[in-house]
Amino acid sequence: DAGVIQSPRHEVTEMGQEVTLRCKPISGHDYLFWYRQTMMRGLELLIYFNNNVPIDDSGMPEDRFSAKMPNASFSTLKIQPSEPRDSAVYFCASRDRAEAFFGQGTRLTVV
Amino acid sequence: GEDVEQSLFLSVREGDSSVINCTYTDSSSTYLYWYKQEPGAGLQLLTYIFSNMDMKQDQRLTVLLNKKDKHLSLRIADTQTGDSAIYFCAEGDTGRRALTFGSGTRLQVQP
Repeated sequence: DAGVIQSPRHEVTEMGQEVTLRCKPISGHDYLFWYRQTMMRGLELLIYFNNNVPIDDSGMPEDRFSAKMPNASFSTLKIQPSEPRDSAVYFCASRDRAEAFFGQGTRLTVV
Repeated sequence: GEDVEQSLFLSVREGDSSVINCTYTDSSSTYLYWYKQEPGAGLQLLTYIFSNMDMKQDQRLTVLLNKKDKHLSLRIADTQTGDSAIYFCAEGDTGRRALTFGSGTRLQVQP
């Protein structure tokens, strides 16, 4: 398996624009997580899914953030409208029973 | 709630052993993890240990778990400059919730 795949790797966008981050989990993993990493707050859990169903979205900072998992092999994290304070590295991870693997992340810069 | 704490920085000389420490609070933790993050990269799963184990060894890596004190350590033998990175401790259960991460320990290896 190629591991967790995220796209794009880098995204630069203007404030107010919509941003969509994409993730393909490892086949067979039934948990998918979205994390955000910043220097100030470290790794923060935004939302996670089990069998495509959102289980805990309490980490989603505002209504501007939304996430979907339409099937077992694809998830999106959308920010609309984006703001400069959303600039961070966004990681997707998937997990089987014990092992949790991360993608390479999307570095988002909102100017 | 769950909490994981780590020291922020460790500096060692090449060839020495490194010991990175971590404490956690959740007694229901089933798995304890160590991840490595190099600059600009995602989190790489190094190893994990079941909570009913005391020790796990994997080549140069040794994980020690003191469940009574909720203390986890990662020992890297014969530390190399390529081991310079940020090391994250994390805890999780059997999958009902997401992993909780510490703030990371930056390991600097001096030649």
